[in-house]
Amino acid sequence: DQQVKQNSPSLSVQEGRISILNCDYTNSMFDYFLWYKKYPAEGPTFLISISSIKDKNEDGRFTVFLNKSAKHLSLHIVPSQPGDSAVYFCAASARYNNNDMRFGAGTRLTVKP
Amino acid sequence: KAGVTQTPRYLIKTRGQQVTLSCSPISGHRSVSWYQQTPGQGLQFLFEYFSETQRNKGNFPGRFSGRQFSNSRSEMNVSTLELGDSALYLCASSRIQGGNSPLHFGNGTRLTVT
Repeated sequence: DQQVKQNSPSLSVQEGRISILNCDYTNSMFDYFLWYKKYPAEGPTFLISISSIKDKNEDGRFTVFLNKSAKHLSLHIVPSQPGDSAVYFCAASARYNNNDMRFGAGTRLTVKP
Repeated sequence: KAGVTQTPRYLIKTRGQQVTLSCSPISGHRSVSWYQQTPGQGLQFLFEYFSETQRNKGNFPGRFSGRQFSNSRSEMNVSTLELGDSALYLCASSRIQGGNSPLHFGNGTRLTVT
């Protein structure tokens, strides 16, 4: 059961522009959402998270937006840099139910110089 | 501080064989989770161990099993290998039970079943 969905397998943007990666979820019990970044031959690394009590969290060039009513979150990268080229995974968990973390299928971001 | 270590990095096995993968978590981390990554499927949750107890299990057949030792190191076993088990197997650790904090991943074990 794919409780976390990333419907865009790939995204290509120009250096300096904004990258927007999207994620949808179906489980209304999810209350903690994260983005991970993965380079080839490496494990995913944590990028940014957001709790369901917030609708926005910002960390430098990265901002995550949460729309609970639409069960949708997005990651904005501004400005995009070639080093941001990687696969981005969205993840979610239901912390107060002690549930494990579920991941989407990933979106491959390519930032062109 | 050393990261999550997975061994071996690469493994080639034949259908019907069994395989054991190993994971050493970050020092002080008591939770270890295992994920299978295949193209187009993302990371599929296998199971999580916390203080030597399996706390949660994903939707995988019983051929997939695991355990955790008193030093928090974990092993994952797959018996009667099938071609479809070819994947990258990722281990992740966290200080508290998984799902409550960011996971720290190892670089994975690439398993190829021929």
